[in-house]
Amino acid sequence: SQELEQSPQSLIVQEGKNLTINCTSSKTLYGLYWYKQKYGEGLIFLMMLQKGGEEKSHEKITAKLDEKKQQSSLHITASQPSHAGIYLCGADPNTNAGKSTFGDGTTLTVKP
Amino acid sequence: NAGVMQNPRHLVRRRGQEARLRCSPVKGHSHVYWYRQLPEEGLKFMVYLQKENIIDESGMPKERFSAEFPKEGPSILRIQQVVRGDSAAYFCASSPSEGTAYTFGSGTRLTVV
Repeated sequence: SQELEQSPQSLIVQEGKNLTINCTSSKTLYGLYWYKQKYGEGLIFLMMLQKGGEEKSHEKITAKLDEKKQQSSLHITASQPSHAGIYLCGADPNTNAGKSTFGDGTTLTVKP
Repeated sequence: NAGVMQNPRHLVRRRGQEARLRCSPVKGHSHVYWYRQLPEEGLKFMVYLQKENIIDESGMPKERFSAEFPKEGPSILRIQQVVRGDSAAYFCASSPSEGTAYTFGSGTRLTVV
């Protein structure tokens, strides 16, 4: 099965600072998704990456997938308290997808 | 808002009772997934269903757990004879097809007392 490792497990940053969260797979990723979860709520879809070297941005969040398609990073620029939450990466196991597996999440705290 | 609707949001059951969790997918989505999230842990896959079919139930415990997605109505995750270890948040997600992003519901938090 696809194993996804996220690092760090938790992160505390001062408001305005940049940060990066990583997601590493034991196998080639055919579809990589980033979600955000607020405490006690469901997951909100952020971005999907499929091609090696692909990069997508939405507001102050940028996600990248490396050329080998085994590692993805999520970068937040000038963090704000609204960015706080749990970030999870999810991946499709193969080109025919099926169910996604998820990393254990990175808990982000942004101190005002 | 035509997102994934899960109910109830919170469910308390005594040991030995049955728990029924409901999930109405986004209109037009025919793929439904159930995940379990234990405290301080990530999402663990349970079952993947399409209308009237179980596609993958490799994450479902062999006993006491069952799932269905009938032709009409919501998907149901059923847990019989609940035990304390079943206490968790259960999330349902739907997608229009494979290889697309999921839309998640807000989850059902099951507490077994």
